[in-house]
Amino acid sequence: GDSVTQMEGPVTLSEEAFLTINCTYTATGYPSLFWYVQYPGEGLQLLLKATKADDKGSNKGFEATYRKETTSFHLEKGSVQVSDSAVYFCALSDGKAAGNKLTFGGGTRVLVKP
Amino acid sequence: NAGVTQTPKFQVLKTGQSMTLQCAQDMNHEYMSWYRQDPGMGLRLIHYSVGAGITDQGEVPNGYNVSRSTTEDFPLRLLSAAPSQTSVYFCASSLGATNEKLFFGSGTQLSVL
Repeated sequence: GDSVTQMEGPVTLSEEAFLTINCTYTATGYPSLFWYVQYPGEGLQLLLKATKADDKGSNKGFEATYRKETTSFHLEKGSVQVSDSAVYFCALSDGKAAGNKLTFGGGTRVLVKP
Repeated sequence: NAGVTQTPKFQVLKTGQSMTLQCAQDMNHEYMSWYRQDPGMGLRLIHYSVGAGITDQGEVPNGYNVSRSTTEDFPLRLLSAAPSQTSVYFCASSLGATNEKLFFGSGTQLSVL
């Protein structure tokens, strides 16, 4: 079945540092890929998505490129802020099954220190 | 705009007790789902619905029931709570059924003793 693997955290950074969170996936066909973010005490929010190979999703300074050849969707941000402290989830949707079902990775906790 | 509303936010149960987690959305979304979140395991799909009167099982449905009598509401019932059901539960909804943005509620933290 489909699966998503993320780097384990926590990731601790200083403000203005560069952030990379690795995500790789296993899926048949051509899935859509997502990054969701969960701030403390809240539900998940969609951060960005890409629906086909070589697409780049971007939002709030975060970027991720759909790499089919390496089955990856790594999340990057050039200069993090304290407000970026959260848990980040990589996810995929195979787009075939009914119900908009997502398969999530285990999540990566990011802590940004002033 | 309330979005997806879950109640209660916290709940403690004893083994064997039953309860219902409530979920309501005011966005006229057809698709609704329940996930559970466990440390290091991400979110796993419990049940989902593609419209009123239609429900189906996700990855981890055992011990849970759902119904969808209206577009707005999608309650999750624990029939006989077990410690293995200690988790954080999230309800989510989306306008469409494929590759659409999911809107999540703020979660219910459930402890089963």
